[in-house]
Amino acid sequence: EAGVTQSPTHLIKTRGQQATLRCSPISGHTSVYWYQQALGLGLQFLLWYDEGEERNRGNFPPRFSGRQFPNYSSELNVNALELEDSALYLCASSFYPGSTNEKLFFGSGTQLSVL
Amino acid sequence: SQQGEEDPQALSIQEGENATMNCSYKTSINNLQWYRQNSGRGLVHLILIRSNEREKHSGRLRVTLDTSKKSSSLLITASRAADTASYFCATDADKLIFGTGTRLQVFP
Repeated sequence: EAGVTQSPTHLIKTRGQQATLRCSPISGHTSVYWYQQALGLGLQFLLWYDEGEERNRGNFPPRFSGRQFPNYSSELNVNALELEDSALYLCASSFYPGSTNEKLFFGSGTQLSVL
Repeated sequence: SQQGEEDPQALSIQEGENATMNCSYKTSINNLQWYRQNSGRGLVHLILIRSNEREKHSGRLRVTLDTSKKSSSLLITASRAADTASYFCATDADKLIFGTGTRLQVFP
């Protein structure tokens, strides 16, 4: 069974550009979560999608947005990139729809570098 | 803001020794989870303990939870070099919130 897959593995952008990160959850998982991990720091919650709807959002500006498709895959878009957006972006999926209380399965992440 | 805070931030031990990491959190929880992250990669779930449980074991891992003190500990017994990683606790509020992590270095 394939795990959570994220693409691309690495992404290099310049300040002001837009970045699109993609995530495919484990088959059968309907919830997708996005986290940002800046170098040496913990994970900051970005977004939670469940059954195609945005269920919760972390304390990030509106230029961080995303969506979940009917096949439960998800995109994270970051507009007007800033240098401090450089981080590892982790996607996770969960088997338990509507709940944040259970085990998450993580992808390997997309390393975004903003120059 | 972080819900969980791990302590210590970094820990270095020799193979065979035990490693203990602590997590403190701020609000009431339904469960607390521990995850492991190898250098710059995705996190792997280790163990989940529910608020009505006090202790849980999984292989060489032992987790305790004290809801009155809003704290948890993760004990890794007989550590191995392969245990070298960062360890995070995660608590559920309206979303799963991770702490800042403990970086464990196990020397052969």
